[in-house]
Amino acid sequence: AQSVTQLDSHVSVSEGTPVLLRCNYSSSYSPSLFWYVQHPNKGLQLLLKYTSAATLVKGINGFEAEFKKSETSFHLTKPSAHMSDAAEYFCVVSDGGGFKTIFGAGTRLFVKA
Amino acid sequence: ETGVTQTPRHLVMGMTNKKSLKCEQHLGHNAMYWYKQSAKKPLELMFVYNFKEQTENNSVPSRFSPECPNSSHLFLHLHTLQPEDSALYLCASSHPAEGETQYFGPGTRLLVL
Repeated sequence: AQSVTQLDSHVSVSEGTPVLLRCNYSSSYSPSLFWYVQHPNKGLQLLLKYTSAATLVKGINGFEAEFKKSETSFHLTKPSAHMSDAAEYFCVVSDGGGFKTIFGAGTRLFVKA
Repeated sequence: ETGVTQTPRHLVMGMTNKKSLKCEQHLGHNAMYWYKQSAKKPLELMFVYNFKEQTENNSVPSRFSPECPNSSHLFLHLHTLQPEDSALYLCASSHPAEGETQYFGPGTRLLVL
């Protein structure tokens, strides 16, 4: 069975400071891992994905995530937060197609001026 | 947006009404999904269609009835809904060539009175 846990329901940072959104997963197989972002009243947009290639994955808008198998983690980071990064972020694990895709509960990121 | 459109964007309906949500994807994908997003709950997968065939029904009540006439269109027919069905309904699509990456529409915000 697979699962995904986002360790923080809310994260608040100041503009220009680093962002860390934490995600742990469990999977019986070699999973694919994703981060999606959802701005208010919008659908989910893919930020980045890991599919067993390089363990450090770079995504859009300066975000990146590192796959650490020993820690079963896939944390999302950004060196410097921008006001436009304020949104909800979802960590997702998949190991076999649409119905095997599990979404985390989400982390809401607040960015203070 | 992402090539996946949903109409209407907002819908208010009474418990005795019948309405339909529409999703259209312009990406040439063969798989389409309906999700329910409620406040403070993880994203819930409702239905999966692959090449117009329903491949998964995640124990969704019969008052939700999906229809997939072709690979580009997906409907969710609603009847005798309950107030707890109020949520954001998201449509997504995917293609095997892109692994498990799903592309989401903006959603329909549904309020059941």
